[in-house]
Amino acid sequence: EPEVTQTPSHQVTQMGQEVILRCVPISNHLYFYWYRQILGQKVEFLVSFYNNEISEKSEIFDDQFSVERPDGSNFTLKIRSTKLEDSAMYFCASGGRHTDTQYFGPGTRLTVL
Amino acid sequence: RKEVEQDPGPFNVPEGATVAFNCTYSNSASQSFFWYRQDCRKEPKLLMSVYSSGNEDGRFTAQLNRASQYISLLIRDSKLSDSATYLCVVNSPSGTYKYIFGTGTRLKVLA
Repeated sequence: EPEVTQTPSHQVTQMGQEVILRCVPISNHLYFYWYRQILGQKVEFLVSFYNNEISEKSEIFDDQFSVERPDGSNFTLKIRSTKLEDSAMYFCASGGRHTDTQYFGPGTRLTVL
Repeated sequence: RKEVEQDPGPFNVPEGATVAFNCTYSNSASQSFFWYRQDCRKEPKLLMSVYSSGNEDGRFTAQLNRASQYISLLIRDSKLSDSATYLCVVNSPSGTYKYIFGTGTRLKVLA
């Protein structure tokens, strides 16, 4: 069964450093998303991506964040200068159509020290 | 009013019990509704989509009441392996159909 994969599973970084979180969505999906979940809190939407551009972003997704689909398979989330409050689980998700069920990757746990 | 509201629990129930979770959502234009299950520090996994006609999958039954903007999940004959957090998810009609999550309801099934 096809699945969304994410790397790394855990990333530890120093405050102010740049991190890139990587995702490989399900191959025939067209809609891609990043969500995050701070420990003990609910899952929050960050950004959606379709047709090689951002289709919607939340207030959380400020200038420090960017997304890219550099080739036909990878979908990346970059945080330029990490803050302590960026520590969270980051989940990538993909869907075949915009109303379709979204399938989530296993997440990257980001720890900012 | 929160976009998606759930009772956070925890619900502690004995094995074999029937347990029901409820969820309300604020945007009447929402079109798609789901229950996801999340184990500790893992990704949300789809449990079932929710339709107006109601749907059942084994021990799990989901119902949608559009008029009341209310979604429910019933688990019959609870198993120890059902212990998890159950997330009510609504697909935002904003154009990108991003997911809006409830805080989740924690279920612990006791032996």
